[in-house]
Parts: sequence; structure tokens; C-alpha cells
Amino acid sequence: NAGVTQTPKFRVLKTGQSMTLLCAQDMNHEYMYWYRQDPGMGLRLIHYSVGEGTTAKGEVPDGYNVSRLKKQNFLLGLESAAPSQTSVYFCASIKGGPKGGYTFGSGTRLTVV
Amino acid sequence: SQQGEEDPQALSIQEGENATMNCSYKTSINNLQWYRQNSGRGLVHLILIRSNEREKHSGRLRVTLDTSKKSSSLLITASRAADTASYFCATDDTDKLIFGTGTRLQVFP
Repeated sequence: NAGVTQTPKFRVLKTGQSMTLLCAQDMNHEYMYWYRQDPGMGLRLIHYSVGEGTTAKGEVPDGYNVSRLKKQNFLLGLESAAPSQTSVYFCASIKGGPKGGYTFGSGTRLTVV
Repeated sequence: SQQGEEDPQALSIQEGENATMNCSYKTSINNLQWYRQNSGRGLVHLILIRSNEREKHSGRLRVTLDTSKKSSSLLITASRAADTASYFCATDDTDKLIFGTGTRLQVFP
């Protein structure tokens, strides 16, 4: 039982490049989330999904897109990376919304130069 | 920002001492949760307290909630070096959790 798996774990991008971060969960969870973590800022919600085929914006969605084509996968895309998107990205999931504890992935450390 | 705030931002104690962290939040809630994050790792859920509860215990953890003051506290008793981590509170907001800025706890052997 892998839980929540994020790939890649590390990535360095040049400004203007694009990439996709993958989050996969094997717990049959409905809700999935993408957060970014910056020093002194805690975790800020980028986008989330309450079920297959649905997505919604969080607190800091600009510059990111997401897709939830399959229930187990939640993809986060950066179309044109900027240095301000240098951060650690965390994916989380839960069965029925924030009535219980989230399961987090181990994070993706992204540097944009 | 919807984020809650935690204080202190950083806390250093000796093994065996108790550690108390406080969380303040801004909106009405159904529940408040606490998470731990070891350096370089993802967050791990510790405990959840519902809005109609005032206190909850789990092992060496004690959480209190005061909805009238929109605040919560996490007490770790008899701390250990392994408790060294960042601790975050999170409140529910419809379909999502809003996280606080965290407290960095250092426990010295």
C-alpha cells in the first residue's frame, strides 16, 4: 500500500519551461489537493479536486493548471515556469473531505532558474 | 490570506520538558487538525478536534480548542528528541483544509 506518491521528487527548470507533477494515490480517495510550501508561509492551496473530472481553484492558482482524468491521479502543470514558482509542492488526499486527516505525499522540490 | 497563525514561530526545549504551541484562526470551523512535518518530509496527521469538543488527548498529545477565541493549543508532554519537527494546525473550510504557518520545535537531548 503506497499511499500518496509524487513524481518527480526533485526538478530544476529554466524560466519559461513547462512541466507536469504527478500525484498518484491507491486508497480510493475522492478528494485530492495540491499545496505549495515556502519558508515562513506554511502550506498554501493551489488547486484541488473533489472527484474524478472535477477541479477547483485554491488560494494561489495563478500560473498552474490541473487535471483529474482518473480518480487515482491528480496532475499539476506549469505551462511557463517562473522563479516565483520555486517551492516544495505537496499532494494530499482524503476519502470524504476535510472531516478527517489528510494523507500527504513526500513532496516535489522544484527550482526554477 | 485565510491562513491561521501559530505561535511561537520557533521553540527550543530540553528532553523531558513540555512543549506548547498555539494556533489562531479566522473563520468558523467544524474541526481543527494538527500535523507534524519532519525535515524534508510530508506532513503527518496527528489529531483532530471537533468544534463541539474542548479537549482531546492522544498519547503524549493534548489539544484544546476555544471556539469563542478562535484558538487552539497543542501540548506535547515529556518531549523527546524525536519530537523535533514543525507542527501545523489546519482548519476546515468547505471542501479543503487551511493550514497555519507552523511552529518549529527543537528538542535537545
